[in-house]
Amino acid sequence: GQQLNQSPQSMFIQEGEDVSMNCTSSSIFNTWLWYKQDPGEGPVLLIALYKAGELTSNGRLTAQFGITRKDSFLNISASIPSDVGIYFCAGRIDRTGGTSYGKLTFGQGTILTVHP
Amino acid sequence: NAGVMQNPRHLVRRRGQEARLRCSPMKGHSHVYWYRQLPEEGLKFMVYLQKENIIDESGMPKERFSAEFPKEGPSILRIQQVVRGDSAAYFCASSPPRATGYNEQFFGPGTRLTVL
Repeated sequence: GQQLNQSPQSMFIQEGEDVSMNCTSSSIFNTWLWYKQDPGEGPVLLIALYKAGELTSNGRLTAQFGITRKDSFLNISASIPSDVGIYFCAGRIDRTGGTSYGKLTFGQGTILTVHP
Repeated sequence: NAGVMQNPRHLVRRRGQEARLRCSPMKGHSHVYWYRQLPEEGLKFMVYLQKENIIDESGMPKERFSAEFPKEGPSILRIQQVVRGDSAAYFCASSPPRATGYNEQFFGPGTRLTVL
């Protein structure tokens, strides 16, 4: 089955620094998603990407859908303490008629720690 | 605007007992997905259901696990004769019907199953 390799596994940064993490896949995905998970909670959607080459921002977060459709990255600028958590990339293949549905394949996660 | 609801949030079972996990999707959502997360790992897809139909169960173990999404009431993930290896966090996600465009999955808070 499909596998997503997410790196780095963990990051320890100072407040105010920028952060970058990425995901690579051995196969093509039609949709890339980035989620954040806080301890004891479910993942929360941060950014969704639907077209190869697409660059999308959500506040201090920026994500790109790789041209080959086999990779994506997430950048966080000017990190703050509440950015602490686990960040997951996820990919989906199924996409028919402009709608999206079907199972997500998740990366292993990047644990982000922000020191004040 | 209640989100995806899961109960119980924590469930403790002894080996050989049955575990029943419930998921109520967001209002207006007719697609339900179940994922399992082992400690320090990403989420793994288990099953995708619509009302009264299993669409994709490619991630479900062949034995002891079953899922349903009846016409009325929540979706149920059932694990019979639980073993210690079933201990994990089980997340439910829901999405709107396909006809409404780009529809992403929103996750519930999860049920943490501990098998003694």
